[in-house]
Amino acid sequence: SQTIHQWPATLVQPVGSPLSLECTVEGTSNPNLYWYRQAAGRGLQLLFYSVGIGQISSEVPQNLSASRPQDRQFILSSKKLLLSDSGFYLCAWGGSYGYTFGSGTRLTVV
Amino acid sequence: AQSVTQPDIHITVSEGASLELRCNYSYGATPYLFWYVQSPGQGLQLLLKYFSGDTLVQGIKGFEAEFKRSQSSFNLRKPSVHWSDAAEYFCAVGLNTGFQKLVFGTGTRLLVSP
Repeated sequence: SQTIHQWPATLVQPVGSPLSLECTVEGTSNPNLYWYRQAAGRGLQLLFYSVGIGQISSEVPQNLSASRPQDRQFILSSKKLLLSDSGFYLCAWGGSYGYTFGSGTRLTVV
Repeated sequence: AQSVTQPDIHITVSEGASLELRCNYSYGATPYLFWYVQSPGQGLQLLLKYFSGDTLVQGIKGFEAEFKRSQSSFNLRKPSVHWSDAAEYFCAVGLNTGFQKLVFGTGTRLLVSP
């Protein structure tokens, strides 16, 4: 069966520090992968999606970047975090037929 | 552009009472439709989905949803709410043309009173 792993679960980082969140999928090949952010009291905002290795599309301009170095690995990064980057980050795989989500990372920038 | 509207930000229901969460979408064709549930600090779990066919779909945890094309709606229902149903609920549409992604509503937080 397919599973998706996301880590870390929680992270507290100072402003200006770098960020790396990792997501890996098992049990499927060439998945569509997605990064969403959920700010407090708000819905889900699609940040990035990827249809294959090295193929990244950004939905909104921001302080973050994404990479897909391997077929089932999706990484969310930042060189210098801002306070506004705080939120709950979710990785997902799937497509129009539905998503499977990771358990999320709570990022607090202080 | 495609959009999903969940008009209720919060809903409070007494335990044992019935529940209906509203969802309307804007899309040129019949999209794929989903309801997800999110417990605090957790990822989203799929409750049910509609692709085609019978417009009343059954999901997990006793939930059901009805697709009404004329109203562009996909409301979620449960006949008797349990305290463990307190969570945030997201409606989503899957775009079956172009890039495959889901568009989510802003969510409805369900509170269950004793």
